[in-house]
Amino acid sequence: GENVEQHPSTLSVQEGDSAVIKCTYSDSASNYFPWYKQELGKRPQLIIDIRSNVGEKKDQRIAVTLNKTAKHFSLHITETQPEDSAVYFCAASQVRGSNYKLTFGKGTLLTVNP
Amino acid sequence: NAGVTQTPKFRVLKTGQSMTLLCAQDMNHEYMYWYRQDPGMGLRLIHYSVGEGTTAKGEVPDGYNVSRLKKQNFLLGLESAAPSQTSVYFCASQDNYGYTFGSGTRLTVV
Repeated sequence: GENVEQHPSTLSVQEGDSAVIKCTYSDSASNYFPWYKQELGKRPQLIIDIRSNVGEKKDQRIAVTLNKTAKHFSLHITETQPEDSAVYFCAASQVRGSNYKLTFGKGTLLTVNP
Repeated sequence: NAGVTQTPKFRVLKTGQSMTLLCAQDMNHEYMYWYRQDPGMGLRLIHYSVGEGTTAKGEVPDGYNVSRLKKQNFLLGLESAAPSQTSVYFCASQDNYGYTFGSGTRLTVV
């Protein structure tokens, strides 16, 4: 089955700096890569996703890049703010029809210091 | 439109007791999932369902059973709870735009 490795496990940045979280996956058939943000005590929420037919996707201050050859993808957050502090999870899936059975990384605790 | 609702939100069980966690969604989604979340382990798939009347095993199915008798409900059962099942349990339903998670159930087995 799919295996997703996520690094780093913790990341501390100063407000305004950029943050980068990296993930690698094992199954070359995976073609869908979402990122979830989970605030303390809350449910995970989708923040951005990318499919294997594109290399980069941006949404305001967040972006995701995908390197299919190397089987890794990354989350980039620019101009970080204290409200970006949360646990971030990457995930991978081979989409079959409408089925997105996701395998998650172990998460990265991002702390943005004011 | 409530999305995905999990009940209960908190529960303490004694070792050997049984219980059922309920996940209900009102979005007419076919696909539903049960994950457990443990510190440093991320979210691990327990069981999932691709439609009413279907279930399948995920990564960590041992000690759990599931049922999907109605499309909107996905039940997770623990027949004989063990301390190793202390965790936060998340249900999710899925459409073409990804997962919607419930708010979670924090289960402690003592």
